Amino acid sequence: NAGVTQTPKFQVLKTGQSMTLQCAQDMNHNSMYWYRQDPGMGLRLIYYSASEGTTDKGEVPNGYNVSRLNKREFSLRLESAAPSQTSVYFCAVGWNTEAFFGQGTRLTVV
Amino acid sequence: AQSVAQPEDQVNVAEGNPLTVKCTYSVSGNPYLFWYVQYPNRGLQFLLKYITGDNLVKGSYGFEAEFNKSQTSFHLKKPSALVSDSALYFCAVRDWGSGDKLTFGTGTRLAVRP
Repeated sequence: NAGVTQTPKFQVLKTGQSMTLQCAQDMNHNSMYWYRQDPGMGLRLIYYSASEGTTDKGEVPNGYNVSRLNKREFSLRLESAAPSQTSVYFCAVGWNTEAFFGQGTRLTVV
Repeated sequence: AQSVAQPEDQVNVAEGNPLTVKCTYSVSGNPYLFWYVQYPNRGLQFLLKYITGDNLVKGSYGFEAEFNKSQTSFHLKKPSALVSDSALYFCAVRDWGSGDKLTFGTGTRLAVRP
């Protein structure tokens, strides 16, 4: 039982490159979230998905896209990475109770 | 829109003393409230939650929190701090009426000195 699994754990991108962050859960929760964590800013919601096939914007969606193809997986895509997207990204799952977090992806855009 | 405020960037306390980490919230409906802890280079771990019922909730590692509706607060407390409690603490809120968004505060770093 892995809970919430994020891949990759670390990534360095050049400005303008694209990449997809993957998140998979085996907890059978409907809701999934993508957050970014920056010093002094706490966790800011990028996108969330209340159920399979639905997605909604959070506080800071610009520059990102998401895909919820099935109940288990929720991916975050950066189409053209910018230095401002250097951050630690967390995926979380939950429904009406506590959210469970992955271990994070540390992304650096140079 | 829902929001959470953690007014202290850092809280310093001596081991063995009581600790309080403050949190206030704003929602349009009834809140679900949460506390999470983050250790260095780790994800967030759930500590405790308030959904309904008793205003004093108890959670992991001896932590507790008191829900105060009139003051819209949900402060985290522990009677006797340990050095191992040193970490980053986040308060979060979900509004019953606003769908499924979970909003976090900016975090409070707790430093417990021996």
